[in-house]
Amino acid sequence: GDSVTQMEGPVTLSEEAFLTINCTYTATGYPSLFWYVQYPGEGLQLLLKATKADDKGSNKGFEATYRKETTSFHLEKGSVQVSDSAVYFCALSVSGGSNYKLTFGKGTLLTVNP
Amino acid sequence: GAVVSQHPSRVICKSGTSVKIECRSLDFQATTMFWYRQFPKQSLMLMATSNEGSKATYEQGVEKDKFLINHASLTLSTLTVTSAHPEDSSFYICSARGDRSSGEQFFGPGTRLTVL
Repeated sequence: GDSVTQMEGPVTLSEEAFLTINCTYTATGYPSLFWYVQYPGEGLQLLLKATKADDKGSNKGFEATYRKETTSFHLEKGSVQVSDSAVYFCALSVSGGSNYKLTFGKGTLLTVNP
Repeated sequence: GAVVSQHPSRVICKSGTSVKIECRSLDFQATTMFWYRQFPKQSLMLMATSNEGSKATYEQGVEKDKFLINHASLTLSTLTVTSAHPEDSSFYICSARGDRSSGEQFFGPGTRLTVL
């Protein structure tokens, strides 16, 4: 079946530090890949996505590149801010159905200290 | 952006009672809604998918008679946990997808259910 594995948290960084959150996947088909973010007290929001190999998704300074050869979609940001503190979820969706079901990783809690 | 609300945000009930959770898409029509369950420090697990006007499709291992899902309109889906037991205590999250969202799901803030 489909699955997503992302690095265990929590991750604690100082402001302006470099961030990497690793994500690897297994999928029965050709998946689209997503990073969702959940700020405290809020629902999940789509952060970025990539739909085919070598695509790079980017948003708010975050980036992730769809690497089919390594089945990975690692999230990176060059300089984190306190406001980036949240839980980050890697997810995949295998096309072929109209419902776009998502399979999530366990989530990684990021805390950025001033 | 598209907004999805859930009500209540938190509920505590006695064992054996039923609890209804509402999920509403506030500014778009949701042709498909999803219900997830999240345990502490674990990922979101899809429970069921519902399309407006039709029966929900449940994931393997999810008891459809226990978790009743109704998607009667394009802006409202409800999850009823029937005869709740302490093991049903969890964080329940809904999401919604509209025809124009290109597959993107918009998530509600979640409902914390505690069964005593």
